[in-house]
Amino acid sequence: DAMVIQNPRYQVTQFGKPVTLSCSQTLNHNVMYWYQQKSSQAPKLLFHYYDKDFNNEADTPDNFQSRRPNTSFCFLDIRSPGLGDAAMYLCATSRDPTSGSHEQYFGPGTRLTVT
Amino acid sequence: AQTVTQSQPEMSVQEAETVTLSCTYDTSENNYYLFWYKQPPSRQMILVIRQEAYKQQNATENRFSVNFQKAAKSFSLKISDSQLGDTAMYFCALVGGANSKLTFGKGITLSVRP
Repeated sequence: DAMVIQNPRYQVTQFGKPVTLSCSQTLNHNVMYWYQQKSSQAPKLLFHYYDKDFNNEADTPDNFQSRRPNTSFCFLDIRSPGLGDAAMYLCATSRDPTSGSHEQYFGPGTRLTVT
Repeated sequence: AQTVTQSQPEMSVQEAETVTLSCTYDTSENNYYLFWYKQPPSRQMILVIRQEAYKQQNATENRFSVNFQKAAKSFSLKISDSQLGDTAMYFCALVGGANSKLTFGKGITLSVRP
């Protein structure tokens, strides 16, 4: 089945120690998104890629970076995690918006713990 | 700017009964799409139902249906014959114009009681 896969599902890192979360998709979608979701809150968009074009949200801290080496993979790098960065990180994909399809397909998320 | 408002933080319903989750929105776009997403506890966010603003007919997906009132900018979700597996957080969301970004409401936690 076509899907969005996130690895690892659970990640523990130390305060200040860089960490990378990964996302892959078999849907061949143009757009990939990274969200941060804290407990019982709505997901907060960090950035998204439209093909190779990177779009950062204005309030995303510089501590968060992303890479998309190809259509299938996208990475979230947290350069110096703080305790406040502990959260669920969701990856999502969608087709080209010009196709008329706008729904996003979510991965299962990576729960990040910062010690 | 787009906004989505879910004013009820929590609701509870007896199994097999019907429940309606409310959502209002605001957008200046003429062409937009509305969604309800479901996020069960510790599980993946999945799309429940979508509605294109240009369609007058309310979308339905099995036990899930919407009441789309375009003039009132209201988009409520009705769940019929509630099941224990419907227990989840539900998010109302909007995409407007050529933008692909979702604007989420704050979500509502629905509990289905046996």
